[in-house]
Amino acid sequence: AAGVIQSPRHLIKEKRETATLKCYPIPRHDTVYWYQQGPGQDPQFLISFYEKMQSDKGSIPDRFSAQQFSDYHSELNMSSLELGDSALYFCASSETGTALNLYGYTFGSGTRLTVV
Amino acid sequence: AQTVTQSQPEMSVQEAETVTLSCTYDTSENNYYLFWYKQPPSRQMILVIRQEAYKQQNATENRFSVNFQKAAKSFSLKISDSQLGDTAMYFCAFTEGGGNKLVFGAGTILRVKS
Repeated sequence: AAGVIQSPRHLIKEKRETATLKCYPIPRHDTVYWYQQGPGQDPQFLISFYEKMQSDKGSIPDRFSAQQFSDYHSELNMSSLELGDSALYFCASSETGTALNLYGYTFGSGTRLTVV
Repeated sequence: AQTVTQSQPEMSVQEAETVTLSCTYDTSENNYYLFWYKQPPSRQMILVIRQEAYKQQNATENRFSVNFQKAAKSFSLKISDSQLGDTAMYFCAFTEGGGNKLVFGAGTILRVKS
């Protein structure tokens, strides 16, 4: 079965550079969520989108922005990168009205961002 | 705000034995959902089991079961017949009914020993 696809799997950037992470949800899933997991920490919710509109916002820095496109894929744009942005970034998707509360999310494998 | 607490940073268990991971949460909501996620060394987040707060019956998925105590706001995970492949970080997570985001606990590292 198709899963949530994230690209790239690994990314190394220098301080003050920009990074773009991509997420392709499971077909028919209309909601996308982004999480940040720092080393040894639990995942922290960043932002979510439903039908291309932002649906919820968590602890996302102003340097970060995200959007969901017409094909439901999402991109997380991160500018002026800092060393503290080094983390595993997860994307998850769900089908509204059914999946989240009943089945939980389906997570992608994550993008490991290293800022040097 | 909802919070999720996992008080056991690390646990060990012998292969084939049973282990229980603890989780407590705090919420003023009456309608919510609880989950246990497994994160093996591959870092993939895998749903293990879920529980609806309005259901009194404890959820069970093969070797995994929960002890849901709503009044005590406790949601522990029991793993029976532990296998080496169960070695992973386990996260307890919460979402309110109709909610959007998951709130995670700090996680418990489980090591299954042969």
